[in-house]
Amino acid sequence: SQQGEEDPQALSIQEGENATMNCSYKTSINNLQWYRQNSGRGLVHLILIRSNEREKHSGRLRVTLDTSKKSSSLLITASRAADTASYFCAYLQGGSEKLVFGKGTKLTVNP
Amino acid sequence: NAGVTQTPKFQVLKTGQSMTLQCAQDMNHEYMSWYRQDPGMGLRLIHYSVGAGITDQGEVPNGYNVSRSTTEDFPLRLLSAAPSQTSVYFCASSLVPSPPSETQYFGPGTRLLVL
Repeated sequence: SQQGEEDPQALSIQEGENATMNCSYKTSINNLQWYRQNSGRGLVHLILIRSNEREKHSGRLRVTLDTSKKSSSLLITASRAADTASYFCAYLQGGSEKLVFGKGTKLTVNP
Repeated sequence: NAGVTQTPKFQVLKTGQSMTLQCAQDMNHEYMSWYRQDPGMGLRLIHYSVGAGITDQGEVPNGYNVSRSTTEDFPLRLLSAAPSQTSVYFCASSLVPSPPSETQYFGPGTRLLVL
């Protein structure tokens, strides 16, 4: 399988703390995306980082990409209870049109 | 815009029955895809299409058929349902697939239970 791997599988933190999730992938990529899924709902796009970028910010989100290690991380700062959700990385397998998703990190933010 | 719509929201089938999961988008997106989501497995690509008349297989295509006769619609057919196809199915679309890949817009999902 070419699925990416998120780490950790589950993460539980207190409101106000930072949450860091990691994604490792196996192929060359053009870019990498992060998505959020609230329980029982569809996925919502959060942020996209291109292969020639090393870091990108969007509000309380910070994404890094290390193509030499084939890994990316998503940092959510000052977390809120409303951030409770599952987070997935996604990327195009190199040279293909198949968008592959990782297995996800389930984040719980306790009030 | 309604975005990506999926019907039905929930379906129960008996083993061996066939059915079609509907997916439609009104954003004039070229790229459409179907994923299934199972606990602990994340999302796995079933089939995808880069435009009307063009479809291709994803990671787990067995037991499923697709067609793309229009830009708007991308139905997924289960030929003979099996309990292993019990899952949540998501349809997604984007303006173009690559490169660079664009934001995917997801439908709300169809929960399928095969008895």
